[in-house]
Amino acid sequence: EIVLTQSPDFQSVTPKEKVTITCRASQSIGSSLHWYQQKPDQSPKLLIKYASQSFSGVPSRFSGSGSGTDFTLTINSLEAEDAATYYCHQTSSLPYTFGQGTKLEIK
Amino acid sequence: EVQLVESGGGLIQPGGSLRLSCAASGFTVSSNYMNWVRQSPGKGLEWVSVIYSGGSTSYADSVKGRFTISRDNSMNTLYLQMNSLRAEDTAVYYCARDLGGYDYWGQGTLVTVSS
Repeated sequence: EIVLTQSPDFQSVTPKEKVTITCRASQSIGSSLHWYQQKPDQSPKLLIKYASQSFSGVPSRFSGSGSGTDFTLTINSLEAEDAATYYCHQTSSLPYTFGQGTKLEIK
Repeated sequence: EVQLVESGGGLIQPGGSLRLSCAASGFTVSSNYMNWVRQSPGKGLEWVSVIYSGGSTSYADSVKGRFTISRDNSMNTLYLQMNSLRAEDTAVYYCARDLGGYDYWGQGTLVTVSS
């Protein structure tokens, strides 16, 4: 099973700050890595697919990069509405797995 | 408009069975990879199962042999049959379409396994 490890687990940030969340895979997964945003009592929403492809309708301040084992989600100029938990997810090999999540708090 | 609506959750005793449904609209379930993902209260996301467009299936080890994913093409609906339920199966269960990342998710249905 491929283990995805996100860092940090929690981050408190101020609006307009730049945020970087990392996801490290226990073995190479190519670019089969996706990022989701989940707000309390809501379903997850796809932000980035295949490491760097922005999903339709997602604000341009969200971007992704990486390949192999190391991936990054970047949020430029954070907004208050970005307070949420962010998850990475791999579909390179079964069983598919998710990272443990990174909770972003807005100060 | 693409929509996924889950139903069938509820309170069930350990050892019991439950069938979850995920009614789809705006696309054809049988032409897509469809997944179930669950989230225990206050915890992260856990992948449960997938059914591919060709009909093959796969399961997480934690549910293998107890859960069965299926679909009804005429109803355009995805199912998850859950048998021998355990307390640790308590979670919100989501269905999700896989189109390179899970691009559409249902609202989730809560399954509580407790005596």
